[in-house]
Amino acid sequence: EAQVTQNPRYLITVTGKKLTVTCSQNMNHEYMSWYRQDPGLGLRQIYYSMNVEVTDKGDVPEGYKVSRKEKRNFPLILESPSPNQTSLYFCASSNRGRRGDEKLFFGSGTQLSVL
Amino acid sequence: GESVGLHLPTLSVQEGDNSIINCAYSNSASDYFIWYKQESGKGPQFIIDIRSNMDKRQGQRVTVLLNKTVKHLSLQIAATQPGDSAVYFCAEKITGNTGKLIFGQGTTLQVKP
Repeated sequence: EAQVTQNPRYLITVTGKKLTVTCSQNMNHEYMSWYRQDPGLGLRQIYYSMNVEVTDKGDVPEGYKVSRKEKRNFPLILESPSPNQTSLYFCASSNRGRRGDEKLFFGSGTQLSVL
Repeated sequence: GESVGLHLPTLSVQEGDNSIINCAYSNSASDYFIWYKQESGKGPQFIIDIRSNMDKRQGQRVTVLLNKTVKHLSLQIAATQPGDSAVYFCAEKITGNTGKLIFGQGTTLQVKP
């Protein structure tokens, strides 16, 4: 089944404790992206990757890092989480290189709480 | 600037009625538009998309209308069912952009039995 898999589904941590949220897709998509979703603010892009070893900042990159060493994986790293990073996070991927096939496929989300 | 907005935060309809969810976008350079459905506790799911060279596209029980003159997008759901209850997002992609989708804030559709 074609899907984007995120882990963990729920995560509670404390300020300053490094964490990684994993994301994997099995559709051979070149494009991957991380979004955060907050009430009243909608979905905002954190980072994206056009291909292996190619990453770039989205609209709200501060406090986050990503890496793209393999095509299927795109982990999101919070080196020193803070309470304002409490949010619902979504990983997504697409075949953006092909016209007519640009829709994003989303994972099920990771609810992060930073205390 | 980049801005995609939905006209109403909440829409309540009777089961069996047709639903219309509206979206206004601000960038004339957008060439691709898409609607997502997000159920509670899940990620957004693709519903239907449309390119800027079209003004209407139909799917199963859903129709998307695009009016480029007034920069308006709508999603019509025929014979709304309880399973259609969710938050609906529109999104746009700007021509020549990196592929980034700009999302609106969502309309909550409530279907009354």
